[in-house]
Amino acid sequence: GQNIDQPTEMTATEGAIVQINCTYQTSGFNGLFWYQQHAGEAPTFLSYNVLDGLEEKGRFSSFLSRSKGYSYLLLKELQMKDSASYLCAVSGGYNKLIFGAGTRLAVHP
Amino acid sequence: ETGVTQTPRHLVMGMTNKKSLKCEQHLGHNAMYWYKQSAKKPLELMFVYSLEERVENNSVPSRFSPECPNSSHLFLHLHTLQPEDSALYLCASSPGTSGSADTQYFGPGTRLTVL
Repeated sequence: GQNIDQPTEMTATEGAIVQINCTYQTSGFNGLFWYQQHAGEAPTFLSYNVLDGLEEKGRFSSFLSRSKGYSYLLLKELQMKDSASYLCAVSGGYNKLIFGAGTRLAVHP
Repeated sequence: ETGVTQTPRHLVMGMTNKKSLKCEQHLGHNAMYWYKQSAKKPLELMFVYSLEERVENNSVPSRFSPECPNSSHLFLHLHTLQPEDSALYLCASSPGTSGSADTQYFGPGTRLTVL
């Protein structure tokens, strides 16, 4: 079966670091995506990992371990505007994304 | 960001109505998608079109009928919906290059309420 798990909710303090984990079990794997979605808005692309290791992009980094079926999104120097849902999605093949239910992050002053 | 637009943004309809959702992408992409997003549930892929041909239909009830007249436009025709169909309907597009995972770009969605 296809399964993607991520925590439902997280809270963090402005200026801190937060790590959002994602574990997956899918019948195919062609890469893993992270999207950010603010309430009432479109999901926006954050990162893509297909090889093991860490991809860094400004304040955001994403890590992948294919052997463990595991990824995380690391957000540094948190800002209030980072309060949003973060969606983990696995590409199971050409044009096919399987999404997790999303992690709602609340950043407090 | 106006790469993918959707209209209307909000729609309220009765169970006997017929309505259509529209999506337009201005990114020169070859693939377009419809997703359903319900509260606290994962995005559910409904339909995929590649070069105007439907390549995926995820067991969606026939009361949802997609149409892709060209690579820039995608419609979702709705008829005799049920209250449980109330959700956010998201359109996305991607370059559609084969052999690699395609980054999908989403529109803002249509918030649908079925009474």
